[in-house]
Amino acid sequence: GNSVTQMEGPVTLSEEAFLTINCTYTATGYPSLFWYVQYPGEGLQLLLKATKADDKGSNKGFEATYRKETTSFHLEKGSVQVSDSAVYFCAGGTSYGKLTFGQGTILTVHP
Amino acid sequence: GAGVSQSPRYKVAKRGQDVALRCDPISGHVSLFWYQQALGQGPEFLTYFQNEAQLDKSGLPSDRFFAERPEGSVSTLKIQRTQQEDSAVYLCASSFSFREGGNIQYFGAGTRLSVL
Repeated sequence: GNSVTQMEGPVTLSEEAFLTINCTYTATGYPSLFWYVQYPGEGLQLLLKATKADDKGSNKGFEATYRKETTSFHLEKGSVQVSDSAVYFCAGGTSYGKLTFGQGTILTVHP
Repeated sequence: GAGVSQSPRYKVAKRGQDVALRCDPISGHVSLFWYQQALGQGPEFLTYFQNEAQLDKSGLPSDRFFAERPEGSVSTLKIQRTQQEDSAVYLCASSFSFREGGNIQYFGAGTRLSVL
């Protein structure tokens, strides 16, 4: 079956630092890939997605590129803010939408 | 409503009790998913509905878990004879269509179940 491996956290950064959270996937075929974010006290929200190889998803300064050759979908942001503190989940989706999630990475950004 | 609504938000049950968790998806959304999220883990798939049809229930951990969506809108996840290992956050998500692999799922805030 499909699986998603996400870099273990937690990650602690200072404001304006560069962020990378690694994600790799194992799947039959090429699933759609997603990053979801969970802010404190809130539900899961879609951050960005990519549906095929070499697609780049981007939103709120975050980016991730679907790399077929390395089966990866690493999340990056050039300059994090305190408001980016949250839990980030990488996920892969089947053709009808069933999601397989990574374990999540807790990001804390200090002023 | 504007988003996916789940109730109750919190549920405490004694071991052996039956519980029922409700999900109101976004109006018009065809697909509905249930996930289980243990503390410190990512959500894990439980079951999937396309309208009223339950097309995938491969993630239900035992026959104590049962889900339904009789009219293709509201869904209920029922857990019989709850056990301590059932303690988790149960998430519901809906999406407009099942036809596109990249279709966006909208998640509810979840029901946190604690079994004592």
